[in-house]
Amino acid sequence: ETGVTQSPTHLIKTRGQQVTLRCSSQSGHNTVSWYQQALGQGPQFIFQYYREEENGRGNFPPRFSGLQFPNYSSELNVNALELDDSALYLCASSSGLAGGPVDEQFFGPGTRLTVL
Amino acid sequence: GQSLEQPSEVTAVEGAIVQINCTYQTSGFYGLSWYQQHDGGAPTFLSYNALDGLEETGRFSSFLSRSDSYGYLLLQELQMKDSASYFCAVIPGSASKIIFGSGTRLSIRP
Repeated sequence: ETGVTQSPTHLIKTRGQQVTLRCSSQSGHNTVSWYQQALGQGPQFIFQYYREEENGRGNFPPRFSGLQFPNYSSELNVNALELDDSALYLCASSSGLAGGPVDEQFFGPGTRLTVL
Repeated sequence: GQSLEQPSEVTAVEGAIVQINCTYQTSGFYGLSWYQQHDGGAPTFLSYNALDGLEETGRFSSFLSRSDSYGYLLLQELQMKDSASYFCAVIPGSASKIIFGSGTRLSIRP
């Protein structure tokens, strides 16, 4: 059983650019959630995907978008990067039913994004 | 609005017991989770409470009171490796959203 992996580990972009972050879910998990974690803060929920459909969204603007693929890997896309987007981006996979509560999540190591 | 409150820092002695409290205010409620995160690492799941009462897993226990919108994480026989940030997380009524607290940094002294 493989764990959750994310790529890249670190990324540096400039303001206005676009970025794609990738996540490979733990084997057998059909739900993936993405989080933004600023230094010294708790993870902030961006959105969740269940079987390739967005299943819930936090208070993030539309320039944050995602995809989940048939193999349950996923992407987080951020357009028109702003300085405040600099953070650790975490994905977490879990198994569950659409609309149902997600109890145990398995987090990846994260991607550290720096926007200059 | 929806919010969680937990202490920002707690210090304890190796071998002792420490309790980290979490109060929440959400629109509806499914359950309360706890996660541990070491510096530079990813959060790791510790426990989940959907019903009132105490859940025990080894040295860690978690408690929930739905009527009080309150929960806590209890760590016993503290070890130096327990030094980390601990986050409570609530699943509100929508169930498709998870709200994390800002975390409690636990420091263990020899």
